[in-house]
Amino acid sequence: DAGITQSPRHKVTETGTPVTLRCHQTENHRYMYWYRQDPGHGLRLIHYSYGVKDTDKGEVSDGYSVSRSKTEDFLLTLESATSSQTSVYFCATKTGDKEKLFFGSGTQLSVL
Amino acid sequence: SQQGEEDPQALSIQEGENATMNCSYKTSINNLQWYRQNSGRGLVHLILIRSNEREKHSGRLRVTLDTSKKSSSLLITASRAADTASYFCATDHTGNQFYFGTGTSLTVIP
Repeated sequence: DAGITQSPRHKVTETGTPVTLRCHQTENHRYMYWYRQDPGHGLRLIHYSYGVKDTDKGEVSDGYSVSRSKTEDFLLTLESATSSQTSVYFCATKTGDKEKLFFGSGTQLSVL
Repeated sequence: SQQGEEDPQALSIQEGENATMNCSYKTSINNLQWYRQNSGRGLVHLILIRSNEREKHSGRLRVTLDTSKKSSSLLITASRAADTASYFCATDHTGNQFYFGTGTSLTVIP
């Protein structure tokens, strides 16, 4: 998947616990994105980054925060996980001059 | 929400037939892209059409765009069992944010 690694691949956690998902890329792409995928909703943008320490909210950002301290890493944090955040989370990247996205393999998160 | 909608939600065809899926969106776009997702995998980019283009081809794929109707269609010709996957349209409104449709699940029966 174009040098994009998501970790962990699967996680089960309890309501109220903090969770951090990691996206690591080796492509030196400027833009990085976090999406969640749920049945009937397709993919929805949570947050994205347009450079180191530069991030912006997407359409479903409530309950999520992100950080990007290095070009290659984009972290998604659920400060206090809720059952509604059970989902498959995808990271994607994009160069600065091309429009297409490259996706990781996803993280299946279950909040019990 | 800027999320698009796709139609049909599910499509089942025989191998060799053509598959057509449609995407509608709400606001003006820079470009529209189609992606494919195999079960349990990430999405893979298929084709991009810009807002000033009406039709584009890539191998067995044909994409059309009607900006007056805010809609696009993806045609897969001579389908194969390996084309079985979910297909998503994604709209680029600002150059940096991409909004995906709800997807069409395609099953090609051998």
